Amino acid sequence: GQQLNQSPQSMFIQEGEDVSMNCTSSSIFNTWLWYKQDPGEGPVLLIALYKAGELTSNGRLTAQFGITRKDSFLNISASIPSDVGIYFCAGLSQGAQKLVFGQGTRLTINP
Amino acid sequence: DAGVIQSPRHEVTEMGQEVTLRCKPISGHNSLFWYRQTMMRGLELLIYFNNNVPIDDSGMPEDRFSAKMPNASFSTLKIQPSEPRDSAVYFCASSPSDRGRWNEQFFGPGTRLTVL
Repeated sequence: GQQLNQSPQSMFIQEGEDVSMNCTSSSIFNTWLWYKQDPGEGPVLLIALYKAGELTSNGRLTAQFGITRKDSFLNISASIPSDVGIYFCAGLSQGAQKLVFGQGTRLTINP
Repeated sequence: DAGVIQSPRHEVTEMGQEVTLRCKPISGHNSLFWYRQTMMRGLELLIYFNNNVPIDDSGMPEDRFSAKMPNASFSTLKIQPSEPRDSAVYFCASSPSDRGRWNEQFFGPGTRLTVL
């Protein structure tokens, strides 16, 4: 089945630093979603992208739909302790009806 | 507005017992999804419904798993008999019917299932 490669698998940063993570696929996607999951909770939708090249922000978070339609990026600026968690990308390829999820990027922030 | 509601939040049972997980989707959403999350396999889609009708159950591991959606506001996932390898967090998610937004799935808090 289709797979998404999400990287890095984990990140250890200092509070205040910017964060970048990405997701790539072997096939063309027409939807990219980014979720955040806190311990003991379900994933929460952060940003949805529907057009190649689209750049969308949600507060300090910015996500982009790659021009090739095979990748997406999530950036977090000026990280704060509450940004800690696992970030998942998810995508929907052409003709598909089911989302495919990446394996997640675990973000840890040192105060 | 209330989000997706799942119950119970935690379930501990013994091997061989029947387990029923419950979900109430967001009002007005017409698609409902059941996922299982483990460290080894990540998030796996088990089954999804559209307008209360099961559309794709190819992710259901085996016949021990069954899911129903008797109406637009309620769904169950049943495991009978349960086995230790079923231990995982089970999530329910729903998505709106709005054209262009039906991919945006909203997750419940999950049910952590432990089978001893």
